[in-house]
Amino acid sequence: NAGVTQTPKFQVLKTGQSMTLQCAQDMNHEYMSWYRQDPGMGLRLIHYSVGAGITDQGEVPNGYNVSRSTTEDFPLRLLSAAPSQTSVYFCASSYSGQSTEAFFGQGTRLTVV
Amino acid sequence: GDSVTQMEGPVTLSEEAFLTINCTYTATGYPSLFWYVQYPGEGLQLLLKATKADDKGSNKGFEATYRKETTSFHLEKGSVQVSDSAVYFCALSTGTGGSYIPTFGRGTSLIVHP
Repeated sequence: NAGVTQTPKFQVLKTGQSMTLQCAQDMNHEYMSWYRQDPGMGLRLIHYSVGAGITDQGEVPNGYNVSRSTTEDFPLRLLSAAPSQTSVYFCASSYSGQSTEAFFGQGTRLTVV
Repeated sequence: GDSVTQMEGPVTLSEEAFLTINCTYTATGYPSLFWYVQYPGEGLQLLLKATKADDKGSNKGFEATYRKETTSFHLEKGSVQVSDSAVYFCALSTGTGGSYIPTFGRGTSLIVHP
């Protein structure tokens, strides 16, 4: 079972560069979401999607773009990287429903210098 | 809006000690409650959940009871092991705004010494 797969695991960017963090799930989940994890801040929601073609902003969306053209994939784009975007990024997916479990990827550790 | 408050860590215990990590919540409607665990270098995984008042979720020796009257979902374990060292996240889901994306607390780091 692959579950939720994130690539890359580690990335170093220079300020101003752009890149895409990849996320794929093979469980046919409707919901997918992106979080960033920073020391002392817990998990903060960046963007989420409730189905293919539908995305919405979370708590900290600025500087990030998403799209959801298929059920399986939910890439996160950094448009112009800034040192404040240095963080660990997690992708998660779940079925629709209040009591359903979220499945997380292993994370991408991003450093912007 | 919905929110989750957890006790700050790190919580440092000796092996076989009793563990409590406090979690309280604010939510519109009637949330489902979750505890997730994050081991070093990994993503979060579900530890246990409860979906209605007085439900007790349990897994791997951990327990938490959904207390509607005190809006709490405290995590407990009778005897911790070194392998329980991890970060624990309390979370809720309500469907507010038409989505079931969970709201997480800030996480509590647990360190267990031999």
